Amino acid sequence: KQEVTQIPAALSVPEGENLVLNCSFTDSAIYNLQWFRQDPGKGLTSLLLIQSSQREQTSGRLNASLDKSSGRSTLYIAASQPGDSATYLCAVLDSSNTGKLIFGQGTTLQVKP
Amino acid sequence: GAGVSQSPRYKVAKRGQDVALRCDPISGHVSLFWYQQALGQGPEFLTYFQNEAQLDKSGLPSDRFFAERPEGSVSTLKIQRTQQEDSAVYLCASSPRGGPYEQYFGPGTRLTVT
Repeated sequence: KQEVTQIPAALSVPEGENLVLNCSFTDSAIYNLQWFRQDPGKGLTSLLLIQSSQREQTSGRLNASLDKSSGRSTLYIAASQPGDSATYLCAVLDSSNTGKLIFGQGTTLQVKP
Repeated sequence: GAGVSQSPRYKVAKRGQDVALRCDPISGHVSLFWYQQALGQGPEFLTYFQNEAQLDKSGLPSDRFFAERPEGSVSTLKIQRTQQEDSAVYLCASSPRGGPYEQYFGPGTRLTVT
C-alpha cells in the first residue's frame, strides 16, 4: 500500500530564506507526483506536476525534483516571502487505472516578515 | 472558464442528520473524485467516477456514505446519520479524461457535526 510522508510537519523561516520541503513515498510505481498549496479554509492549488519520467519541474521561485527510485521528492522555494505562508501538500498519482491521488499530511510553512 | 464548484461551502449538521454535498465539475470533464480531509491531515480518497459510472468506492468509510453522478456531470455525496467523526472538509476534483491525469480541485465543503 502506497504511503506518502512529508517532513517537517511545520516550518517557520524569516523572509528571504531559501527552503526545502521533503516528501517520501513507499512504492516507486507512480505515474506522477504533484505539489499543491492550500491556504486556510481553501481548496488545493496545483503548483508543480512531475511526470514519472522527469527529474524536475520549475515554476518561478519553485523547483520540484523527483527521484523515483529512492521514493523522494523535494520542493525548493527560493527567496521566501510572507505570501508563501500556507500548507504544502505532496501527492502521488496511484498506478491503478482510477488515477486517485495519495497525499502526504502536509507541511505548514510560515514566512515571517 | 469556471472551475470546480462545490456547495454548500459550510454545513453544520446535528448528529444523526443526513447531509448532501454537491460538486459541479469543470464542463466536459470525464473523471470526478471525492476526497475527505480531516483537520491537520492530507486529503484521503473516497470515490471515483468516470462519466456516470462509479469505478472505485474503496475509500468510502462506511455504508452511511453514498455518492452518485447520474448524468455524468454533477455529483452528490450523501452522508446518512452523520457522526462526529464525519466532521471534515470534503473536496471534489475533476479531470478531463479517465485514468492518471491532472486533477483540478474545488474549494471544498466544510462539514461540522455537532
